[in-house]
Amino acid sequence: QQPVQSPQAVILREGEDAVINCSSSKALYSVHWYRQKHGEAPVFLMILLKGGEQKGHEKISASFNEKKQQSSLYLTASQLSYSGTYFCGTQTGANNLFFGTGTRLTVIP
Amino acid sequence: DAGVIQSPRHEVTEMGQEVTLRCKPISGHNSLFWYRQTMMRGLELLIYFNNNVPIDDSGMPEDRFSAKMPNASFSTLKIQPSEPRDSAVYFCASSLQRPTEAFFGQGTRLTVV
Repeated sequence: QQPVQSPQAVILREGEDAVINCSSSKALYSVHWYRQKHGEAPVFLMILLKGGEQKGHEKISASFNEKKQQSSLYLTASQLSYSGTYFCGTQTGANNLFFGTGTRLTVIP
Repeated sequence: DAGVIQSPRHEVTEMGQEVTLRCKPISGHNSLFWYRQTMMRGLELLIYFNNNVPIDDSGMPEDRFSAKMPNASFSTLKIQPSEPRDSAVYFCASSLQRPTEAFFGQGTRLTVV
């Protein structure tokens, strides 16, 4: 039940934009996004519930298309601090939370 | 609150030994998750509990793995016997029951030699 993320890795220069995609083969209850720095625990960014709403966090926003069981994370005007591995987490029921293999984002000066 | 607390932070053990990982969730949280992180598989959900009851353990890789949650403030993940392929970082996370943020512990890095 792990969601599938793409791309697996991306390298950006400061100020560039990126999109990370997440898809599931099962109907979704909600989608979470987390960022993990090397050697640290994943940290919550945002959650999207059924209804296709879009949420934002600083210059990072996300959308959720429940009909397609897909979510996308948008990073605009990337900063060095955005580097890390991004995970989408999917809930197919009220109490589970599955993660994929992540997208490694590297922002260079 | 101190957040989710895991112990030990690092564990090195020999193949065949029993390993016990411990987790203290955030007070008031009633959902608890155990994950295994590797480069190849990312964050794998091993098992999750709701109100101390195991809901789904289909992610547990083998019978060598077992998890318990005897009360709302403590959970263990046990591997017996351990094998080198069990080497990974194991995370515990907790959350409220409704769809909301999951808080992760700092993880236990397990190395089986």
